[in-house]
Amino acid sequence: GAVVSQHPSRVICKSGTSVKIECRSLDFQATTMFWYRQFPKQSLMLMATSNEGSKATYEQGVEKDKFLINHASLTLSTLTVTSAHPEDSSFYICSARRIGATNEKLFFGSGTQLSVL
Amino acid sequence: QKEVEQDPGPLSVPEGAIVSLNCTYSNSAFQYFMWYRQYSRKGPELLMYTYSSGNKEDGRFTAQVDKSSKYISLFIRDSQPSDSATYLCAMKAEYGNKLVFGAGTILRVKS
Repeated sequence: GAVVSQHPSRVICKSGTSVKIECRSLDFQATTMFWYRQFPKQSLMLMATSNEGSKATYEQGVEKDKFLINHASLTLSTLTVTSAHPEDSSFYICSARRIGATNEKLFFGSGTQLSVL
Repeated sequence: QKEVEQDPGPLSVPEGAIVSLNCTYSNSAFQYFMWYRQYSRKGPELLMYTYSSGNKEDGRFTAQVDKSSKYISLFIRDSQPSDSATYLCAMKAEYGNKLVFGAGTILRVKS
């Protein structure tokens, strides 16, 4: 099966610092990747859609200047949480859609638990 | 009102039991219906997907969609301890990229 690697799995940082999360498709190419946020006992909430070679599309209420997304290649998308604050603490998950696949067949990374002190 | 409602549980069953997991939704535009399994500290894994109404079976898993009632179900037969996980329903309209997830139901199968 298709593998999506997400790194780091856990990060603890001080308030005001920036954190970068990487999402890689290991054995397939992905023109589209998605970034989600998940609070305890709550749904995965789509933050943004990342398209290779173009600007990301952000969902309503998500600050694009705070959550910087870069999709520079067909196998890598990054999410940078800039000037992180405690309210940004959450579980962040990426998913990737293989080229030619339907949106239903998404492959997810293992997630990143971000804790901002 | 949330677009997708799912009882968070936890749901505890003995090994071998039939498990029924459910979601309701309010958006009549949803056409694709999916069930994902998520183990602790892991990303969701697609179990089943159904287009429009009807039943779909895959091994011990059966997915049902009743669009008239805006209600979907996942049945797990002969449940095993390894089935213990959080089960997420997800839905999507005909067009567009956005998957809308339920909050997930925690399932515990006891041996």
